[in-house]
Amino acid sequence: GEDVEQSLFLSVREGDSSVINCTYTDSSSTYLYWYKQEPGAGLQLLTYIFSNMDMKQDQRLTVLLNKKDKHLSLRIADTQTGDSAIYFCAESDTGGFKTIFGAGTRLFVKA
Amino acid sequence: EAGVAQSPRYKIIEKRQSVAFWCNPISGHATLYWYQQILGQGPKLLIQFQNNGVVDDSQLPKDRFSAERLKGVDSTLKIQPAKLEDSAVYLCASSLDGVNTEAFFGQGTRLTVV
Repeated sequence: GEDVEQSLFLSVREGDSSVINCTYTDSSSTYLYWYKQEPGAGLQLLTYIFSNMDMKQDQRLTVLLNKKDKHLSLRIADTQTGDSAIYFCAESDTGGFKTIFGAGTRLFVKA
Repeated sequence: EAGVAQSPRYKIIEKRQSVAFWCNPISGHATLYWYQQILGQGPKLLIQFQNNGVVDDSQLPKDRFSAERLKGVDSTLKIQPAKLEDSAVYLCASSLDGVNTEAFFGQGTRLTVV
């Protein structure tokens, strides 16, 4: 079945860039998402990319998609302590249904 | 704009007991989702409603889990009887129409089964 994999932890210093990576298996994925989850809170959609794009930039966030390798990354520029959270990669099909989430990458930002 | 509301925030029950969770989606959102998030894992979709009809419940353990969305607004998710492995955070989300639109998540209900 479909699967989304992410590394579990990432630690960076404040002001550095963070890069969170994700791989997925479903070649029919149409939408790929990055969600942020802070402690005790629900998931918040950060950004998403269509499968026919290879890059999307939104302020400090840059999403890169390598469709051939089924690899998605999220780059956070100038990482701040407030960026400490769990980041989930997710993918869904054409209808936006059956969203599959990865296990999440916990980002630690050291001051 | 009010967000997705869920209650209760926390629930502790003994195994074999029953429990129910409630979700009030964002006003006007046709699509409602229930996810189960076990500690250390990503959310797993249990059931998706479009208005008051079920779109996908393929991962809902129907022998013990049930969900309804009467009148296409609020929804309840019930577990009867609960097992230890049901301990998780149950997230409700809603979106305008479920296609090409963002899903907004509630804070979740943390269930502990002892």
